[in-house]
This record gives sequence, structure tokens and C-alpha cells, in this order.
Amino acid sequence: AQTVTQSQPEMSVQEAETVTLSCTYDTSESDYYLFWYKQPPSRQMILVIRQEAYKQQNATENRFSVNFQKAAKSFSLKISDSQLGDAAMYFCAYRSPMDSSNTGKLIFGQGTTLQVKP
Amino acid sequence: DTEVTQTPKHLVMGMTNKKSLKCEQHMGHRAMYWYKQKAKKPPELMFVYSYEKLSINESVPSRFSPECPNSSLLNLHLHALQPEDSALYLCASSQDASGGGTDTQYFGPGTRLTVL
Repeated sequence: AQTVTQSQPEMSVQEAETVTLSCTYDTSESDYYLFWYKQPPSRQMILVIRQEAYKQQNATENRFSVNFQKAAKSFSLKISDSQLGDAAMYFCAYRSPMDSSNTGKLIFGQGTTLQVKP
Repeated sequence: DTEVTQTPKHLVMGMTNKKSLKCEQHMGHRAMYWYKQKAKKPPELMFVYSYEKLSINESVPSRFSPECPNSSLLNLHLHALQPEDSALYLCASSQDASGGGTDTQYFGPGTRLTVL
């Protein structure tokens, strides 16, 4: 079975600085999808970024980028120019490729709470 | 627009009450999901509907009863809940749970449920 591990329960960063959140996963599959979701205190889970395992190029969305190391099974999130609004809990998630027995189940890590200091 | 709406935002109910949570999406998605989330924990999958049919029930107690009246609407009927059922209930939708590609789940804002 697949597992996702976020080893940093809490992180903090100074406003305008850069922070990296770690995520590792365990799988025997060669094709899969990885996601980072953000959940602010307002509680809505918001998609930050996604990565297809078959793509070697790291995904980027504005100030958010990932460092995807397939061999190491690592999927870290880098937030550049941190803003107060980035303060939230961040979840890393894994999804298997679709097949007749799979219904898109997401496997989440335990989350990392990010504090942004002014 | 990637909007999933949920009502109510907050719900307080007694253990003998019957209530329902509602979720709606107008993105043309054909898969919808219910999650339960405790504070500072990841969401736990409860149910998956694919093309309006229940495809996954993660061994959820029968006091939770899902319903998918049409492709845009998902309900969760609650009856005889326990205090430990107090949690944030999140709804999500995706294009097609049995499809391929980067099928992404989009979440609603959740309903904060308190069982007294």
C-alpha cells in the first residue's frame, strides 16, 4: 500500500523569504500523481500544485514550485517570497493512476503547519 | 470556475436528531466525495460517487447515509450521531473518478458539525 510522510509538523518562515516543505512517499507503482493542498484557518482545501510522475520537469505555479525526485520518492514544495496569506496547513497527497478498480482515492500525509512571520 | 459549495457552514445537533449536509458543484464533474476531517489531521475518505452511483464506502457507520440525486448534487444524511462524529465534513468533486490523467479533486469549504 502507498504511504505519504510529511516529517515536519510545523515550519515557520519570515515574510518575503523562501521555505521548503518536505514530503516523501512509498509506492511500487511507476505512474502516479502527486499534489500539494493548502488549508488555511478558513478551512477550505485549496489545490496548490500537482505533478505527474511521468513528467521529469518540475511543476511551477507562480511562487510555488516542487522538487520532484522520483528515484528518491521525494516531492518537496518550495514557496518563494512568502506572504502572510501563505500561512496554512499544507498537505501532500498521492493518487494512483486510474483503472477499473481505482476510484481516485487520495492518500494524504499528516500535514505541515506553516507560520509566516511579519 | 472550480467552485464546490457546501451548506450549512455550521451545524449543531443532538444525538437523536436527523440532519443533512448538502454539496453542489456546477463544473460538470462526474465524481463526488465525502471526507471527514478532525482538527489538525488529514481528511479521511468516507464515500465516493462516480456517475451518480456509490463506488466506495470506506466502512462508514450506517448512521451516515450518502445520496447523490443528480450529477451536481451530493447529500449526507445524518442520524443518531455520536459526539465523536463531531468534525469538519468536506465535499470534493473531480472530472471523472474512473478516468485518467491529472484528475484533480476540488474541495468545498466544509461543514463544521458539532454533536452534543
